[in-house]
Amino acid sequence: QVQLVQSGAEVKKPGASVKVSCKVSGYTLTELSMHWVRQAPGKGLEWMGGFDPEDGETIYAQKFQGRVTMTEDTSTDTAYMELSSLRSEDTAVYYCATLFLGEENYFDYWGQGTLVTVSS
Amino acid sequence: SSELTQDPAVSVALGQTVRITCQGDSLRSYYASWYQQKPGQAPVLVIYGKNNRPSGIPDRFSGSSSGNTASLTITGAQAEDEADYYCNSRDSSGNLPWVFGGGTKLTVL
Repeated sequence: QVQLVQSGAEVKKPGASVKVSCKVSGYTLTELSMHWVRQAPGKGLEWMGGFDPEDGETIYAQKFQGRVTMTEDTSTDTAYMELSSLRSEDTAVYYCATLFLGEENYFDYWGQGTLVTVSS
Repeated sequence: SSELTQDPAVSVALGQTVRITCQGDSLRSYYASWYQQKPGQAPVLVIYGKNNRPSGIPDRFSGSSSGNTASLTITGAQAEDEADYYCNSRDSSGNLPWVFGGGTKLTVL
């Protein structure tokens, strides 16, 4: 059973950066395809990016290209999502989620979420 | 197009059957997966593939697909099923690898 534990809530000023962590247990990070999904207050889920096994690289939603970086530290089984040039519209709960890789693909495990508030 | 469309809200009487739908071109090529989200909680996978339930998901939840429409059916809805439900699939247009529907708020009356 995979468990994903994320870092705590953050408050940032516009223009700053935030780095959210996602610690994996039960499996090693190298066995997983980690993705990030966010949810603005009262809004739906929005896929941001993640590891694409077909290409063997991390892919990002075009909307976040140039502002987001997703990295992994396999020595600690921790994934990171860093978002820069923050604006008020980036206020949201950020989730890490693992993508099951098989005949069908789906997000089977989710972190508890990290609230990022962007406010001056 | 890289969109999945869901009805914003659906209601069902306690114990009755409700169908939540999701429409999009990508569903002609890929199965949808469905997620339940209760207030203040992370999404939980309830249906994936043709019609598969993860361990621990009650068998009153089922999935189906036809053409560009995927459906999540709850047979005998319970009070604890009141939640937001999101569909998700791979995107066939190539613009956005993964896409979520806008979500459906289910109210159990």
